[in-house]
Amino acid sequence: AQSVTQLDSQVPVFEEAPVELRCNYSSSVSVYLFWYVQYPNQGLQLLLKYLSGSTLVESINGFEAEFNKSQTSFHLRKPSVHISDTAEYFCAVSANGGATNKLIFGTGTLLAVQP
Amino acid sequence: DAGVIQSPRHEVTEMGQEVTLRCKPISGHNSLFWYRQTMMRGLELLIYFNNNVPIDDSGMPEDRFSAKMPNASFSTLKIQPSEPRDSAVYFCASNGGQNTEAFFGQGTRLTVV
Repeated sequence: AQSVTQLDSQVPVFEEAPVELRCNYSSSVSVYLFWYVQYPNQGLQLLLKYLSGSTLVESINGFEAEFNKSQTSFHLRKPSVHISDTAEYFCAVSANGGATNKLIFGTGTLLAVQP
Repeated sequence: DAGVIQSPRHEVTEMGQEVTLRCKPISGHNSLFWYRQTMMRGLELLIYFNNNVPIDDSGMPEDRFSAKMPNASFSTLKIQPSEPRDSAVYFCASNGGQNTEAFFGQGTRLTVV
């Protein structure tokens, strides 16, 4: 079975500062990894994903995440945040090549960008 | 495609009443998921279907909850009887198979009073 840990429930940061949201996973098989973003009163939207290949993946709005197999991590980073990045961010994992394709989510991290 | 469509967006009901939440997945997607989101427990997977067949319902909290998928374009999540602790946002999501991300609906905010 897979599990995801997001240790930080809330991360306050000032506008234009860098940010890192941490995600660690546990799995007995190889995995696919995802970051989703949820804006207030909306559903979850995919931000970026790692399936295979390059361990560094990027989103269109400046976020990036790096798959680190040895540390079982998939931390999300942005070098300079905007007010509009304020949202809840969820890390998710699914089994690679398993019989099921269900996504297991972490508890989420609220990114609060302050002016 | 209009994406995953859920209805209603908001539901307020009295304790003991039956509640039915509806979901239309993205056309062509063969997997459908029901999640529940609360402040206390975060995002929980309740049940998911593959090709209209329930694969894993281990997240369904109790017998008051049931889910069906009579065809590839429609699913329901029913709570009978409803209780105040069922108040949450319920999300439906679908994907096109393994190795792909899930697409979420806008959710149904359920309030049981």
